[in-house]
Amino acid sequence: GENVEQHPSTLSVQEGDSAVIKCTYSDSASNYFPWYKQELGKRPQLIIDIRSNVGEKKDQRIAVTLNKTAKHFSLHITETQPEDSAVYFCAASIGGSQGNLIFGKGTKLSVKP
Amino acid sequence: KAGVTQTPRYLIKTRGQQVTLSCSPISGHRSVSWYQQTPGQGLQFLFEYFSETQRNKGNFPGRFSGRQFSNSRSEMNVSTLELGDSALYLCASSLAGRGDGYTFGSGTRLTVV
Repeated sequence: GENVEQHPSTLSVQEGDSAVIKCTYSDSASNYFPWYKQELGKRPQLIIDIRSNVGEKKDQRIAVTLNKTAKHFSLHITETQPEDSAVYFCAASIGGSQGNLIFGKGTKLSVKP
Repeated sequence: KAGVTQTPRYLIKTRGQQVTLSCSPISGHRSVSWYQQTPGQGLQFLFEYFSETQRNKGNFPGRFSGRQFSNSRSEMNVSTLELGDSALYLCASSLAGRGDGYTFGSGTRLTVV
């Protein structure tokens, strides 16, 4: 079946450094790729998303890149801050639909002051 | 606008019992999806409802079922509970195919003893 692989599972960086999380997907029909941030004990929250007709999208310190040929996409966080510490999930739509997502297993990001 | 509301927040049940969880989506959202979140498996898709019809279903046994009402509120039912059903159950609503990502509720923490 379809799956999304996410790496690394844990990531520790110093405050001010950049963090990169990578995901690969298997369904060639996937066309929507969101990223969610989940702080401890809280609900996942959408932080950025990208659609298949776009190669890169940026929102302040966060950017996402997509390579449809290679079926991988990445989250880039620059100038990390302690409040960026959380678990980040990537996801891909299944079968081209935006109503159903399959998630990676998450990356626990720790930003040390 | 009000977010996605899930009730109850916490639930303790014994093996063999059944449970019903509720999710009220954001006003105007017609799609409700359910996910099971566990430390080992991450976020796993259960099913998606759109306009009172189940549109997609994940790889869960038939003990897991759901429905959606005309006001888009959704319920999820788990019968004959097993210890392994202990998890955080998240619902997410979206406009479905209109370019919006999921908005998750805070979840229901189910513990089966």
